[in-house]
Amino acid sequence: EPEVTQTPSHQVTQMGQEVILRCVPISNHLYFYWYRQILGQKVEFLVSFYNNEISEKSEIFDDQFSVERPDGSNFTLKIRSTKLEDSAMYFCASSPGANYGYTFGSGTRLTVV
Amino acid sequence: AQSVTQPDIHITVSEGASLELRCNYSYGATPYLFWYVQSPGQGLQLLLKYFSGDTLVQGIKGFEAEFKRSQSSFNLRKPSVHWSDAAEYFCAQSGGSNYKLTFGKGTLLTVNP
Repeated sequence: EPEVTQTPSHQVTQMGQEVILRCVPISNHLYFYWYRQILGQKVEFLVSFYNNEISEKSEIFDDQFSVERPDGSNFTLKIRSTKLEDSAMYFCASSPGANYGYTFGSGTRLTVV
Repeated sequence: AQSVTQPDIHITVSEGASLELRCNYSYGATPYLFWYVQSPGQGLQLLLKYFSGDTLVQGIKGFEAEFKRSQSSFNLRKPSVHWSDAAEYFCAQSGGSNYKLTFGKGTLLTVNP
């Protein structure tokens, strides 16, 4: 069964550093998403991406965050200057459209120290 | 704004007992509803989804859920729980043009031998 692949599985970074989280969505999917889950809390929507542009973003997704689909297969989330509160599990997801549901990756655990 | 409520933070059942996890949604139009399961340190696995049609939907691992519009509910059930079902369960809904998911806070299921 097709999978969404995320790398790395765990990343530790120092506060103020830039990080890039990588995702390879399922190849024929059209909608791409990033979600995050702070330890012990619910999963929160960050951003959706369709037709090579951001279609919706949450209040969390401020100027420190950006997304790219640089080469037609990868989908990246960049955090420019990490803060301690950015420590969370970040999930990538993709979907072919409205009636198909989502496939989530296994997540990247980001730890900011 | 959309919201999903899972009233039970933690449920403990004995192996072999039946299970019902509650979920209430809020969305004006017909929502798309999902149940996901997350084992410790793992990603989100889709158990089942409801878009339209038969209000009783079957999922993987012997789970089912029933959509009740009059109660704005989408409760997850399993007739006989196995120890391997111990995990956190998230109800989610989507709506709108970007199909983003709004998650509940989750219900942690403990299974006693």
